[in-house]
Amino acid sequence: EVQLVDSGGGLVQPGGSLRLSCTASGFTFKSFWMTWVRQAPGKGPEWVAKINPDGSAIYHADSVKGRFTISRDNAKNSLFLQMNSLRVEDTAIYYCARAGGADYWGQGTPVTVSS
Amino acid sequence: DVVMTQSPLSLPVTLGQPASISCKSSQSLVHSDGNTYFNWFQQRPGQSPRLLIYKVSNRDSGVPDRFSGSGSGTDFTLKISRVEAEDVGIYYCMQHTHGGTFGQGTTLEIK
Repeated sequence: EVQLVDSGGGLVQPGGSLRLSCTASGFTFKSFWMTWVRQAPGKGPEWVAKINPDGSAIYHADSVKGRFTISRDNAKNSLFLQMNSLRVEDTAIYYCARAGGADYWGQGTPVTVSS
Repeated sequence: DVVMTQSPLSLPVTLGQPASISCKSSQSLVHSDGNTYFNWFQQRPGQSPRLLIYKVSNRDSGVPDRFSGSGSGTDFTLKISRVEAEDVGIYYCMQHTHGGTFGQGTTLEIK
């Protein structure tokens, strides 16, 4: 059974940093693209970033480019999102998802940016 | 970024009647590998989005056959042949040919 467990969210002040993690199981992690998606309260999902199987190709949304970085550790079946220079508008639930097309989703981890 | 525009944004439907949602992209979604990376998702209240259709017209595992997807290039459609009560929710299109983008969502409700 495919499982994705998101963690690392929390309350942070504007300008602060957080590192989100996603631990995968039930499939061959190193063979799949992986994606981060976020959903602000009452809003639709917003694509954030994706990374190819060996980590050599990464893409970020313009809204987070230069502030967020996606990465992965295939030996640990883990996906990461380093978030720096956080803004109030980054407040959302953050989900990791399998594949570029997001066929399986984690349960999400909430990030609140507030002073 | 590619912009995905859905219509309508609100879709009241009578039980047992068909429903159709359109999604248009600001540029062609045909990838250089020949595939079109376009998906449809359903989100019920309090849940994370669920994949319904991938690569334009392929139903994900367990998705009822009353759901179908079609289209090409920049114009895509999700059809529900006969709406059931469990279909209430918000439907989103998504492209991942050029990075990734979601549409703004279409809320399906029972009339």
